[in-house]
Amino acid sequence: ETGVTQTPRHLVMGMTNKKSLKCEQHLGHNAMYWYKQSAKKPLELMFVYSLEERVENNSVPSRFSPECPNSSHLFLHLHTLQPEDSALYLCASSLVVGPSSGANVLTFGAGSRLTVL
Amino acid sequence: GESVGLHLPTLSVQEGDNSIINCAYSNSASDYFIWYKQESGKGPQFIIDIRSNMDKRQGQRVTVLLNKTVKHLSLQIAATQPGDSAVYFCAENDYNQGGKLIFGQGTELSVKP
Repeated sequence: ETGVTQTPRHLVMGMTNKKSLKCEQHLGHNAMYWYKQSAKKPLELMFVYSLEERVENNSVPSRFSPECPNSSHLFLHLHTLQPEDSALYLCASSLVVGPSSGANVLTFGAGSRLTVL
Repeated sequence: GESVGLHLPTLSVQEGDNSIINCAYSNSASDYFIWYKQESGKGPQFIIDIRSNMDKRQGQRVTVLLNKTVKHLSLQIAATQPGDSAVYFCAENDYNQGGKLIFGQGTELSVKP
């Protein structure tokens, strides 16, 4: 275990459904991230939170809505998704938001595999 | 735009052989690089990192080489084992994007017994 736990591991939803992905980290980190991983594409950064405050939104469609109630928990609320949104959604955390370094490395969860029908 | 890329999308090696996974980067301002390993059904896991003031760093069975002249990064795995089968990503701190970590596409390593 990496210390970053994601649930559910697999999710199948229709385009009209509303669902949520959950991420919890037990590392005492202050920064949390959502990434999208599609086949044969580099990891795409979606959202960045620092101490529960959103600091970055990389032009993500509004059908994806993040929520960070505290520094240990991160949610991704999903609504009216499209089939092209099917992907592996990875949560990550780091000590602080900022450039990576030996003391500030991204730690990833195992991901939530989302399929939109 | 600037990007991190990999020369080979797949690599197949015999168990016990050494593996070399390559990565090209184009941002000369990058000062920190990481290799991640992603096994099937898992998220990326940190393997080894290197700063731009170094050209080589060794870990347990892994070595990262950095050639800043040609902007090339490689990961060498000694005595490759079946458990090394995974997708390997390189990543760089891109200071043109505020120090954001930019990932390459990944190379799939397959180890034949």
